[in-house]
Amino acid sequence: DGGITQSPKYLFRKEGQNVTLSCEQNLNHDAMYWYRQDPGQGLRLIYYSQIVNDFQKGDIAEGYSVSREKKESFPLTVTSAQKNPTAFYLCASSTQGAGGTEAFFGQGTRLTVV
Amino acid sequence: GENVEQHPSTLSVQEGDSAVIKCTYSDSASNYFPWYKQELGKRPQLIIDIRSNVGEKKDQRIAVTLNKTAKHFSLHITETQPEDSAVYFCAASDTGRRALTFGSGTRLQVQP
Repeated sequence: DGGITQSPKYLFRKEGQNVTLSCEQNLNHDAMYWYRQDPGQGLRLIYYSQIVNDFQKGDIAEGYSVSREKKESFPLTVTSAQKNPTAFYLCASSTQGAGGTEAFFGQGTRLTVV
Repeated sequence: GENVEQHPSTLSVQEGDSAVIKCTYSDSASNYFPWYKQELGKRPQLIIDIRSNVGEKKDQRIAVTLNKTAKHFSLHITETQPEDSAVYFCAASDTGRRALTFGSGTRLQVQP
């Protein structure tokens, strides 16, 4: 079953704790993305990667870190520096081309600070 | 960078009526404009997209129009059904960053 898989579905973080969200795809896509979704604010870009071993900050990168050691994997770490991490996190992937292409989304991880 | 604005934030229509959602974008380099539908607690899914060399595209009850000069694009849903109820997002992608910038979403409610 081809697609993009995020885990866990629900995650609880204590104050001052780092947590890592997993994102794996078997679509052979070069590009991968992390978005944060808050009610009424749409999807905001955290980080993106267009090729292995390379990634760029998006619009709200502060308090987050990523790695792209394998084409299939793009994990996101929410660090203690992110003061308001409670949100729905979506990972996506797409093919690369001269123009934009469809982004395929994972099912999301809902992170809650306790 | 790109900025996408979407209106209205909520839209309620009667079953069978049409619904129109409008978006504007700021970066004239943007060349790809998808629309996503997100049901409660689910992932966004592409419903239709349009490229900058096309003015209009239609797929059954759904159509998208693009005005590059004015930098706005719209989603049109005809003969709405209760299962069309969801949040709809527009997005734009530029050739530089190659990442989608999303609008803030429209919650569409179709009343039976």
